[in-house]
Amino acid sequence: QQQVKQSPQSLIVQKGGISIINCAYENTAFDYFPWYQQFPGKGPALLIAIRPDVSEKKEGRFTISFNKSAKQFSLHIMDSQPGDSATYFCAASRGYGQNFVFGPGTRLSVLP
Amino acid sequence: DSGVTQTPKHLITATGQRVTLRCSPRSGDLSVYWYQQSLDQGLQFLIQYYNGEERAKGNILERFSAQQFPDLHSELNLSSLELGDSALYFCASSPRTSGSGMETQYFGPGTRLLVL
Repeated sequence: QQQVKQSPQSLIVQKGGISIINCAYENTAFDYFPWYQQFPGKGPALLIAIRPDVSEKKEGRFTISFNKSAKQFSLHIMDSQPGDSATYFCAASRGYGQNFVFGPGTRLSVLP
Repeated sequence: DSGVTQTPKHLITATGQRVTLRCSPRSGDLSVYWYQQSLDQGLQFLIQYYNGEERAKGNILERFSAQQFPDLHSELNLSSLELGDSALYFCASSPRTSGSGMETQYFGPGTRLLVL
């Protein structure tokens, strides 16, 4: 119930391509879905987040698509750049005083 | 720079020993979270403190404990260390405990612990 599943485990994309990472959850009480980007040796940094009352949120080249009925959400990185090469984590949280549940992460490599 | 600081950056110790990791949250943030990140386990939530009080507990071992002090900095104590405790330990902070699930967590740079 508390798990967040994430796929793929790793992803290789050519520069300029679209990177797509998918996540799925079971607990319908989750009400906040952030994505974090982590570079080697650094802490995760918030990239973009969405609430379940919207189906899509876009910030620059990054877009979250949210499907409430399917309990799935995904991160799309348009025009992927080598500087986007990092590990991406989806997460979910719920309500007052609850913690975040993270997906296992996707290692993205963007080839020049 | 997230504004969350963690010390030390690296820590090498032996099995059976005890260590203390320190975290200073962003100015004004009341909540502190501790996470363990290892290669095979991903990011695992350990414990959350809010304004000095324990608020939520995750997969924290009994050998581990934490506290948040009046100045809001937090310490994570790891005792009777085992080889498997080698990992990156992250602290994160947020302004307050989530009422709507919208609280952003800001992560520190982490402490890399190596148990030999």
